[in-house]
Amino acid sequence: GQNIDQPTEMTATEGAIVQINCTYQTSGFNGLFWYQQHAGEAPTFLSYNVLDGLEEKGRFSSFLSRSKGYSYLLLKELQMKDSASYLCAAAGGGNKLTFGTGTQLKVEL
Amino acid sequence: EAGVTQFPSHSVIEKGQTVTLRCDPISGHDNLYWYRRVMGKEIKFLLHFVKESKQDESGMPNNRFLAERTGGTYSTLKVQPAELEDSGVYFCASSQRQGGTYNEQFFGPGTRLTVL
Repeated sequence: GQNIDQPTEMTATEGAIVQINCTYQTSGFNGLFWYQQHAGEAPTFLSYNVLDGLEEKGRFSSFLSRSKGYSYLLLKELQMKDSASYLCAAAGGGNKLTFGTGTQLKVEL
Repeated sequence: EAGVTQFPSHSVIEKGQTVTLRCDPISGHDNLYWYRRVMGKEIKFLLHFVKESKQDESGMPNNRFLAERTGGTYSTLKVQPAELEDSGVYFCASSQRQGGTYNEQFFGPGTRLTVL
């Protein structure tokens, strides 16, 4: 079966760094995606990892350990606009995505 | 380039009625996915089209749901008859032909369905 776990909520301060963790159990693993979703909007792609290691893209980085079934999304220099839900999703056969419930990040002054 | 569009954005219907949701993927994207988010739960996969063919419909809840993609362009998802538990946000996503490193799925804004 498929199972994705991530924290429900996190709060961080503007300008700080925050790490959102995700653990997964899935068959036919085809990579790990992170999406950002603002309320009432479409999920938007942030990152993709299929090999172990760190992928960096501007203020956002994502890490994957396939042996541990673990990923994290790292957000640096937090801005108020980063307040959103962050969705961890594992890709299986056909690239269908299995999502976690999302981590609601609140950035405060 | 236009993104994935969905229509309607909101739909409120009564139990027992029929509703049809529409998704227009990004032009040229062979893969089209339907997902659903029931309140308080995670986004769940419903089905996957490659062009006009159903590749995987393992996530369809029951036979009250019918998805089509005639001509391999836009897709419709019909719920007939609708039940209270069908309420939620229905997302459509599309991606290019499989192959290459990965295929990012581009999501539409969703259709919020409320069944009363």
